[in-house]
Amino acid sequence: AQKVTQAQTEISVVEKEDVTLDCVYETRDTTYYLFWYKQPPSGELVFLIRRNSFDEQNEISGRYSWNFQKSTSSFNFTITASQVVDSAVYFCALRCGGGYNKLIFGAGTRLAVHP
Amino acid sequence: DVKVTQSSRYLVKRTGEKVFLECVQDMDHENMFWYRQDPGLGLRLIYFSYDVKMKEKGDIPEGYSVSREKKERFSLILESASTNQTSMYLCASSSKRQGRNQPQHFGDGTRLSIL
Repeated sequence: AQKVTQAQTEISVVEKEDVTLDCVYETRDTTYYLFWYKQPPSGELVFLIRRNSFDEQNEISGRYSWNFQKSTSSFNFTITASQVVDSAVYFCALRCGGGYNKLIFGAGTRLAVHP
Repeated sequence: DVKVTQSSRYLVKRTGEKVFLECVQDMDHENMFWYRQDPGLGLRLIYFSYDVKMKEKGDIPEGYSVSREKKERFSLILESASTNQTSMYLCASSSKRQGRNQPQHFGDGTRLSIL
């Protein structure tokens, strides 16, 4: 079975704190892809990053960084020095090796950054 | 930039009505998707289409149908709306030609209330 678990339903932090959003996935496929999306209050899901199963390099983009570990089936997302504009719902998603580019989403983590 | 446009941001309908949700994308994408988003459940796939006139059931197709007469347009139809279909509906599209790791691009969503 394929599944994505985001155990943190809601996280509340104060501006400038670092915060990590957890994502654990399950799949039997050897080839798969992982994604993170951000959904601000406006509603549109914004694509943040994708990772292939054969590339375990971590990635940093400005204040955002992602830690992909196949050994623990995790793809965690860290925001450094959080800002109020980071307040959103964040979704982790899994695409397995089959056709049609179907995504399996986690339940999402709502992040609230307070001034 | 990819643009996925959903016809309505907010919609209120009555139980038993036939409801049409429209989605148009401007990037010549082969794949199009309809999701519903509910608190605590993340995004769940209702239907998807990988080509004109082609459709496949997602995880929760009951009570819905779809139509894809043109490549750029994918319509979701609630045949006889019920209160349990009150939800946020999100449309997405992705390219098939560019490979399996392509992200899906989302519209702003339609918040549908069935009274």
